[in-house]
Amino acid sequence: AAGVIQSPRHLIKEKRETATLKCYPIPRHDTVYWYQQGPGQDPQFLISFYEKMQSDKGSIPDRFSAQQFSDYHSELNMSSLELGDSALYFCASSLILDGYTGELFFGEGSRLTVL
Amino acid sequence: LAKTTQPISMDSYEGQEVNITCSHNNIATNDYITWYQQFPSQGPRFIIQGYKTKVTNEVASLFIPADRKSSTLSLPRVSLSDTAVYYCLVGDAGGYQKVTFGTGTKLQVIP
Repeated sequence: AAGVIQSPRHLIKEKRETATLKCYPIPRHDTVYWYQQGPGQDPQFLISFYEKMQSDKGSIPDRFSAQQFSDYHSELNMSSLELGDSALYFCASSLILDGYTGELFFGEGSRLTVL
Repeated sequence: LAKTTQPISMDSYEGQEVNITCSHNNIATNDYITWYQQFPSQGPRFIIQGYKTKVTNEVASLFIPADRKSSTLSLPRVSLSDTAVYYCLVGDAGGYQKVTFGTGTKLQVIP
C-alpha cells in the first residue's frame, strides 16, 4: 500500500540558508500535518492543512512557511536556518470521514542538519 | 486540548503484559483517546483509538473507565521489538487537526 513519501530524507545546510521539505500524502487523504522532532524530544506540531487550506497552526517559527498544492502534496519552507532547527521533520496524512479524524499515517521523516 | 500525563519510562520482561496508564482529567465530551508507538528515528505509528469502555485490536487493548479521566494501553506478551516510546493523545475527533504529542512513555523490554 502507498505510504506517505517525504523528500529529501537527509539535508545538510549552513546557518542562514534556506531549506524546502516535501511531503506526498497517501492518495485520497485530505489532511496533511507537519511535525518537528529534535534529538531526544517529543514530536512538536507545526502546522496542518485540510483540503489545501491551512487548518491549524502550532509552534511554527515565523521563519517557516508551508503550503499544500492542488495535487495535495505539501512543502515546508524554512529560511534563515539556525542551529536549533536541526531535527527530524515528519509529515503525516489522514482522511477526514464524516468529520472524524482517524489514524495519522507518518512518513519516514526528513533529517535536517544545520551547520 | 486535554493535557495528558504518562509515566516517563517503564521496564518489562519479555513475555509479560504491559499496562501504560495515561491521565487526562480535563477530557472533553467530544474527545477521543489515541495511542501511538514510535521507534527511534521513525515516524509515530497508530496503535489504537477509543472513546469509552474497551477497544481491542490485533496488537493492543485500550481500557477507558466510565469517567474517562484516564485510559490504559495494554500490550499482551511484549517482545524486545516492543521497546519504543508510547504516546497518549486526547482530542476532538471532529476538529482533530492540531494533533499534539505530549511526553511519551519510554518502554524498555528486557530479555
